[in-house]
Amino acid sequence: GAVVSQHPSWVICKSGTSVKIECRSLDFQATTMFWYRQFPKQSLMLMATSNEGSKATYEQGVEKDKFLINHASLTLSTLTVTSAHPEDSSFYICSAAGLAEYNEQFFGPGTRLTVL
Amino acid sequence: GQNIDQPTEMTATEGAIVQINCTYQTSGFNGLFWYQQHAGEAPTFLSYNVLDGLEEKGRFSSFLSRSKGYSYLLLKELQMKDSASYLCAVKDSNYQLIWGAGTKLIIKP
Repeated sequence: GAVVSQHPSWVICKSGTSVKIECRSLDFQATTMFWYRQFPKQSLMLMATSNEGSKATYEQGVEKDKFLINHASLTLSTLTVTSAHPEDSSFYICSAAGLAEYNEQFFGPGTRLTVL
Repeated sequence: GQNIDQPTEMTATEGAIVQINCTYQTSGFNGLFWYQQHAGEAPTFLSYNVLDGLEEKGRFSSFLSRSKGYSYLLLKELQMKDSASYLCAVKDSNYQLIWGAGTKLIIKP
């Protein structure tokens, strides 16, 4: 199956700093990438959808100026959490969809962010 | 609004069979997915149904009835490693994936 990597797998940062998370599709070209956030014992919450070369589409309630998404190529998307606060601490997961049989999403391993 | 319902938690015994149900109400339908998510890990794709009927894949099978807005995931010969959350997701008319809250499956020896 398709492989999606995420880096870093975990990060601890101080309040007020910015954190960048990378999502790469390793063996296929992802026409669309998705960013999710998941709090403990809760389901996935879609934050934004991004297509290569265009602006991301953010879900209602997600601040686009706080969560900057760049989808520079068909294999790389980045999420930058700007001026992070403790309430931003969560599990951030990206997924990529290409031309798979069912156009299913392939998920990265996730990034656990802890803001002190 | 759009809604996907699945039980919050289920318990089953190793070696047994368990059925996890999912009902949905969405604006349009372009397929239903089941994903498995182990604690602390990202989801992995299990199955996809777009037509009515049963799709079998090894120990796992997934069923869909579009007229009833209903699907189930059937897990046979349960193993301890099947302990995980199982997420039902429906692709709506805009091809946006709507996620259920997930069913936590606990397998007991």
